[in-house]
Amino acid sequence: SSELTQDPAVSVALGQTVRITCQGDSLRKYYASWYQQKPGQAPVLVIYGKNNRPSGIPDRFSGSSSGNTASLTITGAQAEDEADYYCNSRDSSGNHVVFGGGTKLTVL
Amino acid sequence: EVQLVESGGGLVKPGGSLRLSCAASGFSFSNAWMSWVRQAPGKGLEWVGRIKSKTDGGTRDYAAPVKGRFTISRDDSKNPLYLQMSSLKTEDTAVYYCTTIVRGVIYYWGQGTLVTVSS
Repeated sequence: SSELTQDPAVSVALGQTVRITCQGDSLRKYYASWYQQKPGQAPVLVIYGKNNRPSGIPDRFSGSSSGNTASLTITGAQAEDEADYYCNSRDSSGNHVVFGGGTKLTVL
Repeated sequence: EVQLVESGGGLVKPGGSLRLSCAASGFSFSNAWMSWVRQAPGKGLEWVGRIKSKTDGGTRDYAAPVKGRFTISRDDSKNPLYLQMSSLKTEDTAVYYCTTIVRGVIYYWGQGTLVTVSS
């Protein structure tokens, strides 16, 4: 399968920890990357590889993977973390890229 | 600082053609793999296609919905990336993002250009 599945919406209380998941067969072979997108803005890479953060991404963002499931964890969610989050990876052939449908994170 | 600036979006009729451009700066464009990603209004992200660097063969791959209709090309002497779109359909309406890509990881995104396909 070349699809990645995400929960459409997740909510978290301010300062609490939230996990956003992404499932797909290709994740058994390739790591997922995670992108944050705020309204009217381009996506921003927040996690890639095993658990790598680009420069400027707060360390409250972390990634993990097990079997066909990748997870993005935000430890101590802040109001500014409210956004849509997308996962992606290469597909099983390695030549194409697939995205999850996105998860809308609400910080209460 | 990496900058990707798309241009060329606009309104086009179904069946028409349009060429998007992406001006790249702040990195070694000729050595970079580049891709296009689109986002229909109110929808999620969709990968359109990717072109490798010439030193890595310049191979192009496309998502199934656009294969045969869209062509990605590059001019390493002037740094633009192009997306030639033909036989456009209403479902191609989206913001199109120019991106860098390495082994499926999209490190940098442009601000996007809107393409509207409508009669």
